[in-house]
Amino acid sequence: DAGVTQSPTHLIKTRGQQVTLRCSPKSGHDTVSWYQQALGQGPQFIFQYYEEEERQRGNFPDRFSGHQFPNYSSELNVNALLLGDSALYLCASSIGTGGFTLHFGNGTRLTVT
Amino acid sequence: AQSVTQLDSQVPVFEEAPVELRCNYSSSVSVYLFWYVQYPNQGLQLLLKYLSGSTLVKGINGFEAEFNKSQTSFHLRKPSVHISDTAEYFCAVNQYSSASKIIFGSGTRLSIRP
Repeated sequence: DAGVTQSPTHLIKTRGQQVTLRCSPKSGHDTVSWYQQALGQGPQFIFQYYEEEERQRGNFPDRFSGHQFPNYSSELNVNALLLGDSALYLCASSIGTGGFTLHFGNGTRLTVT
Repeated sequence: AQSVTQLDSQVPVFEEAPVELRCNYSSSVSVYLFWYVQYPNQGLQLLLKYLSGSTLVKGINGFEAEFNKSQTSFHLRKPSVHISDTAEYFCAVNQYSSASKIIFGSGTRLSIRP
């Protein structure tokens, strides 16, 4: 039973560029949440997708956007990258929007230079 | 608004000693509480959760936590730690009405000395 898979594992981008991160949820899960974890910090909630719609959003600018596909996989897009966007981006899946047991992937390490 | 405070950024302990990682939360409404563990270069794994019922919650790897509503605390404990428990531990809170929007603390790094 595959868990949450994220790709790529590492990524290096330049300021001003755009990036797309991908996530496949755990089998049987239909909800995907994205978190940003800066070095030495706890994860911060970006947004949650369910039924292909953004259901909740944290305190992140519109440069952060996402998408969920009919197979429940999800993408996180970040435009106009800033140095401060360098972080570990974690995807978590759950069952339904009220699912409190999150299963996390190993994350994508984004470095912006 | 809800928030989580982990009082210790680092906790060093000797192997086989007991440990307590402290967590306090603030919220104007009822909450669910969680502890997650993060091993190096990995994502987070759920250790235990409190949703309702008994205030003493047992989790994986011998960890347990006690919900104290009057003190708004949810401290994590283990009676005897092992080298393999070396990791970052995150306390987290979720409001009843916020579905899967979970707020994490800043983490406590547990380092085990042989």
